Amino acid sequence: DAGVIQSPRHEVTEMGQEVTLRCKPISGHDYLFWYRQTMMRGLELLIYFNNNVPIDDSGMPEDRFSAKMPNASFSTLKIQPSEPRDSAVYFCASSLGGLAGGKSYEQYFGPGTRLTVT
Amino acid sequence: AQSVTQLDSQVPVFEEAPVELRCNYSSSVSVYLFWYVQYPNQGLQLLLKYLSGSTLVKGINGFEAEFNKSQTSFHLRKPSVHISDTAEYFCAVSDTPTDKLIFGTGTRLQVFP
Repeated sequence: DAGVIQSPRHEVTEMGQEVTLRCKPISGHDYLFWYRQTMMRGLELLIYFNNNVPIDDSGMPEDRFSAKMPNASFSTLKIQPSEPRDSAVYFCASSLGGLAGGKSYEQYFGPGTRLTVT
Repeated sequence: AQSVTQLDSQVPVFEEAPVELRCNYSSSVSVYLFWYVQYPNQGLQLLLKYLSGSTLVKGINGFEAEFNKSQTSFHLRKPSVHISDTAEYFCAVSDTPTDKLIFGTGTRLQVFP
């Protein structure tokens, strides 16, 4: 398997523009997570899905952020409008099952998208 | 809710020396613990995990960690580090039953020749 795939790897955009980050989880995984990493705030969980359904979006900073998972093999994180404070590395991760039922719960991370908003 | 504390933000060490990276978590009836490593410009990779059973857990690259319930700790150790171990290390705890992982703030391990 190719692992978790994220695109683009780097994104530079101007304040006010719409940004869409994409993620393809590992085939067969039923959990998908979006994280944001900054020097100031560390690694933050933004939202996660189980079987394509959003379970917890309490980490989404504000209404400018939205995430979708239209099918088991694709998810997007959208920021509209973008602001300089959104500059960060955004990671997508997937896992097979939760802790119930003895699943391993190991999260596999993608390489990240480095977003710069000027 | 669970929380994780990594006491050291940076740990400098010379090559071939032993190292311990500390991690403490908030108490819970059941807990599942993880250590991840992040090399520069890469995503996080699982080093090892404790779900149940033996309190001494061995992971990849010669790392091991010991689950200590009485001290609510899960410290990561390696008897002899290499230059290639230079990276950021994250401790994480599960927030059952939500299946979320709560990450610590990370420890930067810098190995010098």
